Amino acid sequence: QQPVQSPQAVILREGEDAVINCSSSKALYSVHWYRQKHGEAPVFLMILLKGGEQKGHEKISASFNEKKQQSSLYLTASQLSYSGTYFCGTGGSYNTDKLIFGTGTRLQVFP
Amino acid sequence: NAGVTQTPKFRVLKTGQSMTLLCAQDMNHEYMYWYRQDPGMGLRLIHYSVGEGTTAKGEVPDGYNVSRLKKQNFLLGLESAAPSQTSVYFCASRPDRGYQETQYFGPGTRLLVL
Repeated sequence: QQPVQSPQAVILREGEDAVINCSSSKALYSVHWYRQKHGEAPVFLMILLKGGEQKGHEKISASFNEKKQQSSLYLTASQLSYSGTYFCGTGGSYNTDKLIFGTGTRLQVFP
Repeated sequence: NAGVTQTPKFRVLKTGQSMTLLCAQDMNHEYMYWYRQDPGMGLRLIHYSVGEGTTAKGEVPDGYNVSRLKKQNFLLGLESAAPSQTSVYFCASRPDRGYQETQYFGPGTRLLVL
């Protein structure tokens, strides 16, 4: 079953913040976040692992709540380059062979 | 390194025709995947392989076959194309080091079935 992402779409002005959530009905070991620009391949942003630390990269960070089986992606002071569709991919165990991807959150940043 | 490459980039088929999509990676990765992406559906796994000579079904395998005769190549076949198979197809690969490693995606193949 696909993880559920919310919201489905976000519209921002440059400099505004956004939070994207990813919720699973199954226990999670890992959550992978990707960003996809229109017409391009998904690009890896970060991995969060069970028992691991909150991750961050410049103004994009993420958290993982194992008990709630959900992860959140935080985009701070958004830039035009943040526009795209964000996907979470979830893994159920350390040895899992595959990820299950959410349906995506479309983010548009305007000047 | 070219990373993950896909051939062709775009193809138009008529219903009932067959074709093969090629995915190649030069990173010596063990795992390879084929996904399809449709509007509002995200990425859905078709088939995957955990090593040369192995294949397994994903979420939406019907109508597709795959082969992994060489470690660096993963082929996706459509024996009798249907309009419902119109989609963007992505290949991905990753090393065999548990899920602390991410997947690397190819540029995609756009397929239109008329």
